[in-house]
Amino acid sequence: EAGVAQSPRYKIIEKRQSVAFWCNPISGHATLYWYQQILGQGPKLLIQFQNNGVVDDSQLPKDRFSAERLKGVDSTLKIQPAKLEDSAVYLCASSPGQDNEKLFFGSGTQLSVL
Amino acid sequence: GESVGLHLPTLSVQEGDNSIINCAYSNSASDYFIWYKQESGKGPQFIIDIRSNMDKRQGQRVTVLLNKTVKHLSLQIAATQPGDSAVYFCAEKTTGNQFYFGTGTSLTVIP
Repeated sequence: EAGVAQSPRYKIIEKRQSVAFWCNPISGHATLYWYQQILGQGPKLLIQFQNNGVVDDSQLPKDRFSAERLKGVDSTLKIQPAKLEDSAVYLCASSPGQDNEKLFFGSGTQLSVL
Repeated sequence: GESVGLHLPTLSVQEGDNSIINCAYSNSASDYFIWYKQESGKGPQFIIDIRSNMDKRQGQRVTVLLNKTVKHLSLQIAATQPGDSAVYFCAEKTTGNQFYFGTGTSLTVIP
C-alpha cells in the first residue's frame, strides 16, 4: 500500500514570498490533516478535511495560510506571505475515517524562511 | 487548545533494558490515544493505539497503559534496541475528532 505522498521535500524562501505544499493521501482515506511541526515540538494541527469539506481550521492563521482539498483527494497548503516564524516541517496525514481512526503521516515538507 | 504533555523530554537507556515513556493528557473526554515514533527527517510512524475503554494493550515489544483516573498514558518498550532511538509522541483524539500531540520524548539507546 502506498503511503502519504508529499512534495516538495524541502523549500527555502525569503520572507514575504509565497509557497505551496502538496499532499496525496493514501487511496480511499476520507480524512486529511495538515500539521505544522516546529523544531523540538510536537505536531500542531492546522486544518482537518473530511472528504472535500473542512472539519476544523480553528488553528489555521487564515490571514496568510490557506488550504484546499478539491475532489476530496489531493490537498494543497499555501502560505502567502511567509514569515520567519513559519519555518517548520509541514506534515500531511490521512486516516480512513469511520471505524479506523489511525493517522498515517507523510515525510513532510521542511520549510525554511530566510 | 488541548494540552498533551510528556514528563521527560529526554531518556537514555542501555541496550536490552526496558524503556518507559510517560504522557499526561488534559481532556478527560478524549477517547482514543496513539503513540508515534519519529526518526530524524521522517514523519511520525504509528506504534500502537488504545481506546479509552481499555487500560492496557500489547504489541510486539511495546505495551501501552492508560490510567484515565489521573489522565496518564505510558509506552513501555521491552528489550530496547538501538533502532528504537527516536522521538516518541503521544496523541489524543478529542470528541471533535481532532488529534493533539505532546511535545515528545527523545529516546537514546546506548549500545
